[in-house]
Amino acid sequence: SQQGEEDPQALSIQEGENATMNCSYKTSINNLQWYRQNSGRGLVHLILIRSNEREKHSGRLRVTLDTSKKSSSLLITASRAADTASYFCATGGGDSNYQLIWGAGTKLIIKP
Amino acid sequence: ETGVTQSPTHLIKTRGQQVTLRCSSQSGHNTVSWYQQALGQGPQFIFQYYREEENGRGNFPPRFSGLQFPNYSSELNVNALELDDSALYLCASSATPVGGETQYFGPGTRLLVL
Repeated sequence: SQQGEEDPQALSIQEGENATMNCSYKTSINNLQWYRQNSGRGLVHLILIRSNEREKHSGRLRVTLDTSKKSSSLLITASRAADTASYFCATGGGDSNYQLIWGAGTKLIIKP
Repeated sequence: ETGVTQSPTHLIKTRGQQVTLRCSSQSGHNTVSWYQQALGQGPQFIFQYYREEENGRGNFPPRFSGLQFPNYSSELNVNALELDDSALYLCASSATPVGGETQYFGPGTRLLVL
């Protein structure tokens, strides 16, 4: 079953602009992770935020987590053409002891 | 590069056939999870293997089965293939089976069932 719902489903912006993607989930979690997938290939782990954290940074990435609203956002600053990909959130722990539960993803297109 | 490899990269089968997909986990990882990803969708959890035992299973029928070997590599077997089995199959390894552990994915095997 899919727990996370990413919003928007697709996003197209100009290179250099910031991109924001949102993720909502339904059950309690231990952490939330964001992954990137290029052209239907394997997923690459970007960042993990634990349920007791509110914000985390990694390079040009900023992730926030609001457990009261069961939502997270991923901000990519100063976007580049190489950021064109699909982005997925995945929740772990909580009601699920062993698996990550995934959303349907946001397809991000960076126009040169 | 994650160090997780999958073979083959592409596969075409006909309905009713059987298929075996293979995955080598990242060095030091004892847990392998398998996912099915349909076009335009997020990954769907099939099952997880930890130290050669199935550790959890998603909502997939018994014709989806797996193995994990002493070196922690893994196989996914699908019997009696159906058209809806056409998808990208991803394996991911992790250091522990704990839910929420970071997973390291292979490049996937794209299966087409005709």
